[in-house]
Amino acid sequence: DIVLTQSPGTLSLSPGERATLSCRASQSVPNNYLVWYQQKPGQTPRLLVYGAFSRATGIPDRFSGSGSGTDFTLTISRLEPEDFAVYYCQQYGSAPLTFGGGTKVEIK
Amino acid sequence: EVQLVESGGGLVQPGGSLRLSCAASGFTFSDHYIDWVRQAPGKGLDWVGRSKNERNQYITEYAASVRGRFTISRDFSRSSLDLQMTNLKTEDTAVYYCAVWFGGRQVDWGQGTLVTVSS
Repeated sequence: DIVLTQSPGTLSLSPGERATLSCRASQSVPNNYLVWYQQKPGQTPRLLVYGAFSRATGIPDRFSGSGSGTDFTLTISRLEPEDFAVYYCQQYGSAPLTFGGGTKVEIK
Repeated sequence: EVQLVESGGGLVQPGGSLRLSCAASGFTFSDHYIDWVRQAPGKGLDWVGRSKNERNQYITEYAASVRGRFTISRDFSRSSLDLQMTNLKTEDTAVYYCAVWFGGRQVDWGQGTLVTVSS
């Protein structure tokens, strides 16, 4: 199974700052089939990025995904108030699909 | 508009069984992979299993933690993805979501149904 490790566990930042979230896989993710989700309290996950770097429909361009193989990054260029949430990566290249443990982006 | 509506959650004793359903509409039910994902209270997301699409013979895959206890099936008369859960454990307590994949470029989620396993 591919284990995904997200870091940091919590990121404390101010609006307008840049957020860099890491997702590291225990082995190479086939075809870089990795997605990023945002989840706010009481809400279902929202797809941000698929295929490691492609933004999903309607996602603002301040969100960008990068990386390949075992190291992936989600960058939020300038945090907006609505971006404070928990972010998860998930690999869908190999069964069983797996999620990372999440990174909470909180207001500093 | 894509809609996924989960139902069937509730309180069940350890060792018991429960059947969840995910009623799907707004897309061609046979064309897409559909997953079950759960989230324990205050915890992260946990993939449970999936049903592949017709092109892939509706093959099912499961997480190790549920394999042999949970079964995913499609009911085409109701356009529903079902999750039969047996031998439930306290650690299966979670909100259970279904999620449909559209070619890996879009994933739509239902609102979830809560399963509580407790004596």
